[in-house]
Amino acid sequence: QVQLQESGPGVVRPSGTLSLTCGVSGDSISSNNWWNWVRQPPGKGLEWIGEIYHTESTNYNPSLKSRVTMSVDKSKNQFSLKLTSVTAADTAVYYCARAAPGSSPFDSWGQGILVTVSS
Amino acid sequence: EIVLTQSPGTLSLSPGERATLSCRARQSVRSSFLAWYQQKPGQAPRLLIYGASSRATGIPDRFSGSRSGTDFTLTISRLEPEDFAVYHCQYYGSSPPTFGQGTKVEIK
Repeated sequence: QVQLQESGPGVVRPSGTLSLTCGVSGDSISSNNWWNWVRQPPGKGLEWIGEIYHTESTNYNPSLKSRVTMSVDKSKNQFSLKLTSVTAADTAVYYCARAAPGSSPFDSWGQGILVTVSS
Repeated sequence: EIVLTQSPGTLSLSPGERATLSCRARQSVRSSFLAWYQQKPGQAPRLLIYGASSRATGIPDRFSGSRSGTDFTLTISRLEPEDFAVYHCQYYGSSPPTFGQGTKVEIK
């Protein structure tokens, strides 16, 4: 059974860079799946940030594209998210999730990590 | 992008009652690439339904999904105590995939 686990700082300074990692167990990061990031501001709905394939192919939400970078580390079986120039509006629970190729739902999710943007 | 509107915002029901949740796409959608997720406080979303009407692995048959044009419905036939949660719909047939704002099913 696949398990995903987010890790990273819980607080980021305004204008700084949010950096998170998602460790994957029970599946290979090089499997035929897309690896996603989704966020949820407190009390609000879910927002897709983007996805990455093990070949480093990426797709990002146009609303965040200018600030987002994703990468994979095959040696550690993990993938990462960087979000630059953060503001209070980026305060959210960040989830990593897995999806099969093509048009597919997110079948496995990490438990989520709360990131607060604050000075 | 496909905008999804869920209604009602909150549904107050008793255990054993039937729950009917709506998710409407503002634009025409070319396929039934619609999923429903359940989210309990402090937990990640859990996939319930995909392809508008197919249950994910291990999901009880009291959960069912349907589609009529741009209207999608999640029905819980008889609410169990563990079903009180927030439910999100998601359209994943185009990029970016989008979510509705959620419907909270609370105990009356």
